[in-house]
Amino acid sequence: GAGVSQSPSNKVTEKGKDVELRCDPISGHTALYWYRQSLGQGLEFLIYFQGNSAPDKSGLPSDRFSAERTGGSVSTLTIQRTQQEDSAVYLCASSRSGNSGANVLTFGAGSRLTVL
Amino acid sequence: GQQVMQIPQYQHVQEGEDFTTYCNSSTTLSNIQWYKQRPGGHPVFLIQLVKSGEVKKQKRLTFQFGEAKKNSSLHITATQTTDVGTYFCAALINTNAGKSTFGDGTTLTVKP
Repeated sequence: GAGVSQSPSNKVTEKGKDVELRCDPISGHTALYWYRQSLGQGLEFLIYFQGNSAPDKSGLPSDRFSAERTGGSVSTLTIQRTQQEDSAVYLCASSRSGNSGANVLTFGAGSRLTVL
Repeated sequence: GQQVMQIPQYQHVQEGEDFTTYCNSSTTLSNIQWYKQRPGGHPVFLIQLVKSGEVKKQKRLTFQFGEAKKNSSLHITATQTTDVGTYFCAALINTNAGKSTFGDGTTLTVKP
């Protein structure tokens, strides 16, 4: 597609439920990033994919968080047993590659997660 | 630990005043990018700097990359209310296997 598409745009869930957030990157972009942004805060790095592999998972806050990417395209971020502190906007970004000169990130509009 | 430091965290200016945000790293950067996030929006790419000492301008915005490729700045001349938002720098650090690292951002508010 023309841009990075994320769904759902808004998700309200009860504490303890699992949620899945989806990111559809720009066609042909091999690098894909997930960030989390709490209200008024900066971008908290979660995970980075190059193709289907994730060379850097260092930002995942706990083992309740996981992400996968299949076919070098769509990625899903799964949060199990959600907690109130998981409430935030989850941003996905993609770039042509992770290499210098080709790593300009295009962000999606984000998925706003609210855990009650 | 934090590899890209950005200051200040917040800046409040009167419309017409100038504004500068700084990005610093202890390691050499392959490149540096700047993004702007409007309130309620998502970060949008502004510019990329690659060469040592590079200076680029976009209307009232001036971007600089340090000679040692360890720091960068974004300067806005004569701010307008449309400049409000958070400005992030992002760097491709050689050791990070192709991953861009973001600074914490500088949030600019402009009083009309």
